[in-house]
Amino acid sequence: RKEVEQDPGPFNVPEGATVAFNCTYSNSASQSFFWYRQDCRKEPKLLMSVYSSGNEDGRFTAQLNRASQYISLLIRDSKLSDSATYLCVVGYNFNKFYFGSGTKLNVKP
Amino acid sequence: SAVISQKPSRDICQRGTSLTIQCQVDSQVTMMFWYRQQPGQSLTLIATANQGSEATYESGFVIDKFPISRPNLTFSTLTVSNLSPEDSSIYLCSASDRGIDSPLHFGNGTRLTVT
Repeated sequence: RKEVEQDPGPFNVPEGATVAFNCTYSNSASQSFFWYRQDCRKEPKLLMSVYSSGNEDGRFTAQLNRASQYISLLIRDSKLSDSATYLCVVGYNFNKFYFGSGTKLNVKP
Repeated sequence: SAVISQKPSRDICQRGTSLTIQCQVDSQVTMMFWYRQQPGQSLTLIATANQGSEATYESGFVIDKFPISRPNLTFSTLTVSNLSPEDSSIYLCSASDRGIDSPLHFGNGTRLTVT
């Protein structure tokens, strides 16, 4: 079983739509959680950290559910520029980060 | 957050040769990692680069094939040895300021093509 699992998509949505991604992780001792964005042929860039209480940054909201071992990312009012692959990242064992396979988002006009 | 410079950004190498990738961070960091990303796939951790000691390799990766150096808290190299076409991939250096409680930052990657 993979450490971190994501639906690969693609999610094809119109501009202005709200879209949500989930990511599940297998290790209950996981300590930190992040969402990254990766554009084609570029390195991943941090989108936001995910905190136990949930957190919001503009149009983006991240939540953590430790009981069910998943994290989510909600994007409101999608923009064309949101088109990318979104990677879920989980840190545990004090020094390891594991990446999900990514969820591809296509926002269309 | 740390700024990471990685070079070369791309290279085309013949099979049987080796490529060494350099990673320089603009500040001292606790952890440095090397990842591989094959076309259309997510990132796979190759190893954790440990300052002043041997790297810690993930299952499926060995030191003979992927020797790593980390002489100080700001610099690391990854060598991909005895290249074969299957090594064609993007190799990414990353660093974390304060361990797993702080996010990873990435260099811009090295795109390797083996002919």
